[in-house]
Amino acid sequence: QQQVKQSPQSLIVQKGGISIINCAYENTAFDYFPWYQQFPGKGPALLIAIRPDVSEKKEGRFTISFNKSAKQFSLHIMDSQPGDSATYFCAAKPGNQFYFGTGTSLTVIP
Amino acid sequence: NAGVTQTPKFQVLKTGQSMTLQCAQDMNHEYMSWYRQDPGMGLRLIHYSVGAGITDQGEVPNGYNVSRSTTEDFPLRLLSAAPSQTSVYFCASSYSAGAGGAWETQYFGPGTRLLVL
Repeated sequence: QQQVKQSPQSLIVQKGGISIINCAYENTAFDYFPWYQQFPGKGPALLIAIRPDVSEKKEGRFTISFNKSAKQFSLHIMDSQPGDSATYFCAAKPGNQFYFGTGTSLTVIP
Repeated sequence: NAGVTQTPKFQVLKTGQSMTLQCAQDMNHEYMSWYRQDPGMGLRLIHYSVGAGITDQGEVPNGYNVSRSTTEDFPLRLLSAAPSQTSVYFCASSYSAGAGGAWETQYFGPGTRLLVL
């Protein structure tokens, strides 16, 4: 059973557009929600993360929106660039274990 | 710092063979973990360790063993390889952000691609 459900599986966005990736969870013990970015042939790298006591966190062009009551969180990439083309994973952590979503392949068209 | 290193980069095994995937980090991180990445499945936690001498199971531990004799190294052993273990394996490490072991930022290695025939 997937602990963190991620959608969409793939996303194509025009350069300058907004990319939105969504994740949902059920376990209320989750206390940390990171997003990872992965380029082909590389390991994932932390992009941005949020804790459940905050509803939004912004770092540059990347924003996490967090809805605790709906048990949903999303990644918004503003002014998407071709260099943002990668696979994005949401994740969640209760205690010592991390659970990852199934990933979203983002392609930004010039 | 080299960060998290993994060897080998690529390995082909026959069904029933055993092997050890190596993982090392030079950041003095207490927390280390192993994941497998399969298409459409994301990353799934195999085993993790919160310090030398301490290991625990993740989501998909069957068929794998780990040990943590030093802070730096966290090898993953495949006891008897099966085609279902064909995957890309990632090792990661993390440090405690505060009291109580609040492991957060994970640093991933470059991965080992394993093919079991």
